[in-house]
Amino acid sequence: EAQVTQNPRYLITVTGKKLTVTCSQNMNHEYMSWYRQDPGLGLRQIYYSMNVEVTDKGDVPEGYKVSRKEKRNFPLILESPSPNQTSLYFCASRMTGVINEQFFGPGTRLTVL
Amino acid sequence: KQEVTQIPAALSVPEGENLVLNCSFTDSAIYNLQWFRQDPGKGLTSLLLIQSSQREQTSGRLNASLDKSSGRSTLYIAASQPGDSATYLCAVLRGGSNYKLTFGKGTLLTVNP
Repeated sequence: EAQVTQNPRYLITVTGKKLTVTCSQNMNHEYMSWYRQDPGLGLRQIYYSMNVEVTDKGDVPEGYKVSRKEKRNFPLILESPSPNQTSLYFCASRMTGVINEQFFGPGTRLTVL
Repeated sequence: KQEVTQIPAALSVPEGENLVLNCSFTDSAIYNLQWFRQDPGKGLTSLLLIQSSQREQTSGRLNASLDKSSGRSTLYIAASQPGDSATYLCAVLRGGSNYKLTFGKGTLLTVNP
């Protein structure tokens, strides 16, 4: 089944403890992206990657890092999480080319205490 | 800067009713528009994708229209069912090297039995 998977689905952590949220897609998509969703603010893009070893900042990149060493994986790294990073995070992927739709993972609900 | 607005923010209807959800965007230079469904605390499920050259797309009881020149899209749901209850999000894809979707804040639909 074609899908985007994320792990973990739920995470409660404490301020300053480094964490990684994994994202993997099995559709051979070049493009991958991370969004966060917050009440009243909607979905905002954090980082994106056009292909392996090509990443760039989205609208709200502060406090996050990403890497794209393999085509299928695009982990989101929080080096020193803070409470304002408590949010629902979504990974997405798509083929390049404007006619293609974007597929989203199931989401990771992160709480930073 | 692209802004996407969805009206109404919430809608409650009795089962069986036909309904229309509205989406407007400020910059008509879009490549496509995508409608998503989101169940509480869950991921985004793509419903329909309309290319900028298209006027409408249909899938089952769903019909989405696009008027790019006026910056509007509608999602028509026929014969609504309680299982249609969810938040509906529209998102537009602009040009540029980043396939970033700009989302509206969604319409929360409740279909009452």
